[in-house]
Amino acid sequence: GAGVSQSPSNKVTEKGKDVELRCDPISGHTALYWYRQSLGQGLEFLIYFQGNSAPDKSGLPSDRFSAERTGGSVSTLTIQRTQQEDSAVYLCASSRLLAGGRFTNTQYFGPGTRLTVL
Amino acid sequence: AQSVTQLGSHVSVSEGALVLLRCNYSSSVPPYLFWYVQYPNQGLQLLLKYTTGATLVKGINGFEAEFKKSETSFHLTKPSAHMSDAAEYFCAVSEASNFGNEKLTFGTGTRLTIIP
Repeated sequence: GAGVSQSPSNKVTEKGKDVELRCDPISGHTALYWYRQSLGQGLEFLIYFQGNSAPDKSGLPSDRFSAERTGGSVSTLTIQRTQQEDSAVYLCASSRLLAGGRFTNTQYFGPGTRLTVL
Repeated sequence: AQSVTQLGSHVSVSEGALVLLRCNYSSSVPPYLFWYVQYPNQGLQLLLKYTTGATLVKGINGFEAEFKKSETSFHLTKPSAHMSDAAEYFCAVSEASNFGNEKLTFGTGTRLTIIP
């Protein structure tokens, strides 16, 4: 079946502009994660969604970052007033809940969105 | 808090030689451990994972890893390197969790180069 998809694959923007990054998880996956991969910080967790529960936003680096997940499926990561240090690859991952309420522990990653802030 | 240390940001091995990528972790609770591979301009692909049970875990492409609790290690090995193994490898840890957040904490990665 289809994997996790992300759009756009590349985004170049000017400092101070807002950007939206989209993630389509694998159908039926209830858990969705955003990560950021940058030269300076490596791979780091940003935010986690699970069903209708309140998201874990503990990894968001500043209040310029926000994310939502509509209808328990598609997610959008928004960065307001972008800065050059926001330049990175933003990765989305999803995983599914097994019968009995356990997750598979396997997160499936999308190809990422490469964001360049000029 | 959890952390992962990967020793060696760059490793080079000859084609056909043993591949050994080192990973040590720190976790206050029983960990789940993972190795992911990333090819250029691609996302992360799971190689293998340890959750519970057998401590020697076999993954795709001939890779395996052994969970050693006493050494807090989860080193990745492959007996014979192939040119197609050239990529970046990430070790990761998450807390064992039912119903909850299994966010991954990654190491800084090891770039594997295969010498013909």
